[in-house]
This record gives sequence, structure tokens and C-alpha cells, in this order.
Amino acid sequence: GQNIDQPTEMTATEGAIVQINCTYQTSGFNGLFWYQQHAGEAPTFLSYNVLDGLEEKGRFSSFLSRSKGYSYLLLKELQMKDSASYLCATGTASKLTFGTGTRLQVTL
Amino acid sequence: DADVTQTPRNRITKTGKRIMLECSQTKGHDRMYWYRQDPGLGLRLIYYSFDVKDINKGEISDGYSVSRQAQAKFSLSLESAIPNQTALYFCATSAGSTDTQYFGPGTRLTVL
Repeated sequence: GQNIDQPTEMTATEGAIVQINCTYQTSGFNGLFWYQQHAGEAPTFLSYNVLDGLEEKGRFSSFLSRSKGYSYLLLKELQMKDSASYLCATGTASKLTFGTGTRLQVTL
Repeated sequence: DADVTQTPRNRITKTGKRIMLECSQTKGHDRMYWYRQDPGLGLRLIYYSFDVKDINKGEISDGYSVSRQAQAKFSLSLESAIPNQTALYFCATSAGSTDTQYFGPGTRLTVL
């Protein structure tokens, strides 16, 4: 089975950098996904890591360590529109299991 | 036009009623999924389908059934709705196991 842990809530200031951590235990691993979800809306894809290391995509970066069962999402130059929930997900070739999400509040 | 659509977007119903939620996609993906989302519990998989002839139960399939009418259509039914099925329901599609899942806009279902 899958077990995914991430913090429930975080607060950060506009313009700052924030790191959202995710730890997982899985019986099969087929990559680690990060999704962004604004309140009441659908999750949207942010990043995918299947190999160890850092993947950078604009203001967002995602890191994976398979040996430690650990990933993080790094958001730089925070903007108010980044206030949302961030979902970590992993799984087997058949299906994904999602974490409960980290609700990020960006303040002035 | 949206690639993944869900109907209805909102529905209020009563305990014991049969409800069908529909999902259509124009992405040409083979894989389709139904999730429910509850506060504090995250997204949980109800059913998934890898093609028209392949239907699989997810972690919370009890009380639900599905039909894959075509590659582009995947519907979720609640045979006899109960209040604890009140939730936000999402349909998603993907091209393969390591491919991104694309979500529909969601259906907010309230069972009174």
C-alpha cells in the first residue's frame, strides 16, 4: 500500500521562498507527482520526478530522494496567487495515491 | 473547450436516490479515474479504467458503480445515495501510468 505524509498548513510572505515536504512509503514506486489545487477547483499538474535530484520549472522546483522516500516542492518569489493546496502523489503503474495536501497561505 | 468535462457541476439529492455523475474527455486518453475529495482526507480513488473493457475498484468503491460507455466516457453511479457520500467528485484521465492525470472541474454532491 501507500502512505504519504505532508504538513497540513504553511504560511509564507509574498516574495519569499517556501519548501513543502512530502514523505512516502510505497510498495511500488512509479514516480512522484506534485499538483496544485485552488479552493473548489480541480488539481492541476506541477511536476513529476522519477529519478533522484532536482527538477526546475520556472519559479517551481521539485526534488526527489528515492532512498529516503522524500520529496519537496520549492516555490520561489511567492505571489498571492500561489495561495492554494499542494498535493503530493505517488503510486504504482496502476494508480496514484494522493497525500492530504498542504494548504499554503501567502501573506503580504 | 475543456478537455475533461463533468456533469452536473452541482447536485443536491435525498437519501436513497440513485445518482449518476458523468465524465467526458477529448484528450484521447485510455485511462480514466473517479475520485472523491473530503476535507482532511484528500483525494481518494473510487474506480479506475484502463480501457472500455477494463474496470477496477479503488480504495473506496463500496456504494458506487461505474460504466465505461466509450473511450471518452466514464460515468459514476450511486445506487442509493447516503449522506456520507456528500463530497466533491473528480474525474481524471491519463495516457499511461507515468503520465500526468488531467482532472475535470469536479461535481459537488450533497446528499440530504
